[in-house]
This record gives sequence, C-alpha cells and structure tokens, in this order.
Amino acid sequence: GESVGLHLPTLSVQEGDNSIINCAYSNSASDYFIWYKQESGKGPQFIIDIRSNMDKRQGQRVTVLLNKTVKHLSLQIAATQPGDSAVYFCAENDQAGTALIFGKGTTLSVSS
Amino acid sequence: GAVVSQHPSRVICKSGTSVKIECRSLDFQATTMFWYRQFPKQSLMLMATSNEGSKATYEQGVEKDKFLINHASLTLSTLTVTSAHPEDSSFYICSAKGQTNYGYTFGSGTRLTVV
Repeated sequence: GESVGLHLPTLSVQEGDNSIINCAYSNSASDYFIWYKQESGKGPQFIIDIRSNMDKRQGQRVTVLLNKTVKHLSLQIAATQPGDSAVYFCAENDQAGTALIFGKGTTLSVSS
Repeated sequence: GAVVSQHPSRVICKSGTSVKIECRSLDFQATTMFWYRQFPKQSLMLMATSNEGSKATYEQGVEKDKFLINHASLTLSTLTVTSAHPEDSSFYICSAKGQTNYGYTFGSGTRLTVV
C-alpha cells in the first residue's frame, strides 16, 4: 500500500550545523513531494516542495533532494538555528493526485 | 498567500456530545478539502476528502456516521464529531486545495479533548 516513512525519528544537532532529514516513500507513481515543519500545537507549515521531474530544489537555507530510483527524499537545512527545532514531515500526493500522505516525522532538536 | 482559518483552536466537550470544527479558505476557492487527525507524537492521518457539493470520501476505518463532513461552499468545510468519546480526543487539521494542481494550505488545527 501507499506509505511514506522516515529513517530517523529524532535528530539532535548543534546550532550552526547542517541538518539532513531523510524520508523514504513507496509509491512510485507519486509526482509531488512536500516538506513540512510542525511546531507543537500548530498545523503543518510549508517549507519546500519538489516535483518528480526534478531531483533538487533550493530555497532559503533549505534544499530538497529527490532520488526517484531508490524512492528517497531528503531535506537539508543549512546553518541550523534553535528556531528550526520542530517535527519535520515529508508528504506526497497519493495515487489519485489529490490527498497528501504524510510520513512518520522526524523531531529536530537544535541546541545552542 | 493562501490562508485557511480553522476554529475553534481548542475545545473540551463532554462524552456523548457533538462538536463542530470549521475550516475556511479566506482568499481562494477550495475545490477540495481534506481532514486529518493527529495523535500525540504521531503523523497526520488522512480521514476524508471532500469536494464542494459532493459527499465526502472517507478513508478505510473512519466512520462516516461519526465524523460528519460538510463542504457546502467553496470556502467552508465542517467536520462534526458526533457522540464524542474520550478516544476521539485528538488534534484535527484541515487542508484546502484550490483549482491548481498543486498547493495545499493547512489550517492551524483543533485540539479536541473529550472528558
């Protein structure tokens, strides 16, 4: 069935380090992927997205890499800051091309 | 940018009562809205998909008679939790998608506590 999973449930880094959060997906038909940040008690906040016709996309301090061969997605955060501490989810659109299916989430903890 | 307003943000209700959660798209027309449920330290689980003017499509295991979804206009969808029980306590989040193929906007979530 469809599923989007995370390799690591928690990631602890020092302020200023680069962070890499990984995600594996199983639906080879998915064509749109999004990374979200969720702070406690809040809804998901869009970080960056990528379509399946691309393998890399950069934003401000963030980069998303897509490897369709192994169905792997990663989020790189440069110069991680304490404000980046949150749970990060990857999500993909499902076979119908409508609903987003979310992965399990990685908790990023940034210490000063 | 696209904004989705969800309220209430928190609600406490007694077991056996019903609770309505509203999700409004403020500056765009939401042809499709999605409702998710999130238990503590878990991911968002899709409950149902609703298209304006149509009956909602529920995911397997989600009771349609318990979680009533109405999407009567292009800017408003409601989720009513009927005869709520403590196990329904959760964080409920809506998401709206406009007429473009991509672009999902999430509400801020509703923390439901059933006592």
